[in-house]
Amino acid sequence: DIVMTQSPLSLPVTPGEPASISCRCSESLLHRNGYNYLDWYLQKPGQSPQLLIYSGSTRASGVPDRFSGSGSGTDFTLRISRVEAEDVGIYYCMQTLHTPGTFGPGTKVDIK
Amino acid sequence: EVQLLESGGGLAQPGGSLRLSCAASGFTFQNYGMAWVRQAPGKGLERVSAIHGSASSSYYADSVKGRFTISRDNSQNTLNLQMNSLRAEDTGVYFCVRFFTSAIYYGMDVWGQGTTVTVSS
Repeated sequence: DIVMTQSPLSLPVTPGEPASISCRCSESLLHRNGYNYLDWYLQKPGQSPQLLIYSGSTRASGVPDRFSGSGSGTDFTLRISRVEAEDVGIYYCMQTLHTPGTFGPGTKVDIK
Repeated sequence: EVQLLESGGGLAQPGGSLRLSCAASGFTFQNYGMAWVRQAPGKGLERVSAIHGSASSSYYADSVKGRFTISRDNSQNTLNLQMNSLRAEDTGVYFCVRFFTSAIYYGMDVWGQGTTVTVSS
C-alpha cells in the first residue's frame, strides 16, 4: 500500500511569516512524462477542500502566488511565503499517480 | 457559476443501501472527470471513486470495491453513487468533485458542499 506522510501535523504560524509543510510518499510520484502526480488541498474550517497545487508545483486557478509547491519523486514541500489569517485550516497532500489516489493525514495550520 | 449540488444522504442501516446524486451546472459536464471523496467525522479525506468524462473508465477505493457503483448521465449533468451493503465505517460527508480535465487522476478543482451519510442501527 502507498503511504503518505506529512510533517508537521500541527503548525502554529505568525501572520506575515513564512511557513512550510513537508509531504513524503512511500513510492515515487514521478511519471515517465516528467510530471509529479502530487496535489495539495486546503480545507478551511467549516468548508469543503479546495485545490491549491497540482502536478507538484502548478498553482490552481485563483490561488495566490504566496503559495508554492516543490519537490520530485517522493519528497514534496508546500510553502507559504507570508502567512495570512485566511490561510488557517488543514492542508492535505495527495498522490494521484496510483489510483484511487491517497491523501496524507493532513497538517493543521492555525495562528499562534 | 460552476456548481455541484449533492443529494441523497441520510440514515441507513448496516447492510442497507443509499443512492447519492450530484447535480452539476455552469460547465460542460461531459468534458470533465468526476469523483466522490468522503470524510469520516473528524477524520481526513478518502477518494472513494472516480469516472472519466465519457464514462469510459472508472475506479474505486478498495474499501468500497464491489459495494459501490459510480455512474454519470451526461444528458442530465448528473453524477451518481449507488452504495450497497453499507457499513458503519461508510459514515461521513460525501463530496461530489470535478477534475479540471476529462481525465481522472489529478486536480480536483471544484467541490460540492457535501451530503452526510450515517450508517447506524
